Amino acid sequence: SQQGEEDPQALSIQEGENATMNCSYKTSINNLQWYRQNSGRGLVHLILIRSNEREKHSGRLRVTLDTSKKSSSLLITASRAADTASYFCAGAKAAGNKLTFGGGTRVLVKP
Amino acid sequence: GAGVSQTPSNKVTEKGKYVELRCDPISGHTALYWYRQSLGQGPEFLIYFQGTGAADDSGLPNDRFFAVRPEGSVSTLKIQRTERGDSAVYLCASSTGLAGERDTQYFGPGTRLTVL
Repeated sequence: SQQGEEDPQALSIQEGENATMNCSYKTSINNLQWYRQNSGRGLVHLILIRSNEREKHSGRLRVTLDTSKKSSSLLITASRAADTASYFCAGAKAAGNKLTFGGGTRVLVKP
Repeated sequence: GAGVSQTPSNKVTEKGKYVELRCDPISGHTALYWYRQSLGQGPEFLIYFQGTGAADDSGLPNDRFFAVRPEGSVSTLKIQRTERGDSAVYLCASSTGLAGERDTQYFGPGTRLTVL
């Protein structure tokens, strides 16, 4: 079963705009991660935020975590056509544990 | 260095047949995970190895599914008496197992299994 929900399920934006997607989860976590997937195959790790962190940045990515609301958001700034992909959040209850994924957000960046 | 590799990339089989899916983790990674992903959904956990032993097999859907990692490196996921509902992309991931680094999982390209 999936850990939680991602919102929106699909997002279409113009190149240069920002893309924001949200993830809600059900149980307590040690850390939450975001992955990108192209063409329904391998996932690429983007960023990890731990339960004692509230915000993290990596290049054009910004992740927030609100453990009181059991939610996280991923912001991609100045989007590019190459950012077109599906984005998944995944929570781990303990360090090194299995990941429980959300249903994903499909992002289309139009040139 | 080389990433996680999975073979075959595609497997088509008939209902009732037996299949084996192979995963080669990143060299030196002690933790290995299997997930499966149905179309339009997020990956779902199947089993996790720490070294040679299964640390968590709670995601295996039934006793037709079995996985091994006899030498703590390569792993094989085995599915007996395949059913059409087993059709999915089977993903393997590995991580270092080192404190502070073990949370990041590196995924292979997956094996697309189609059961006719």
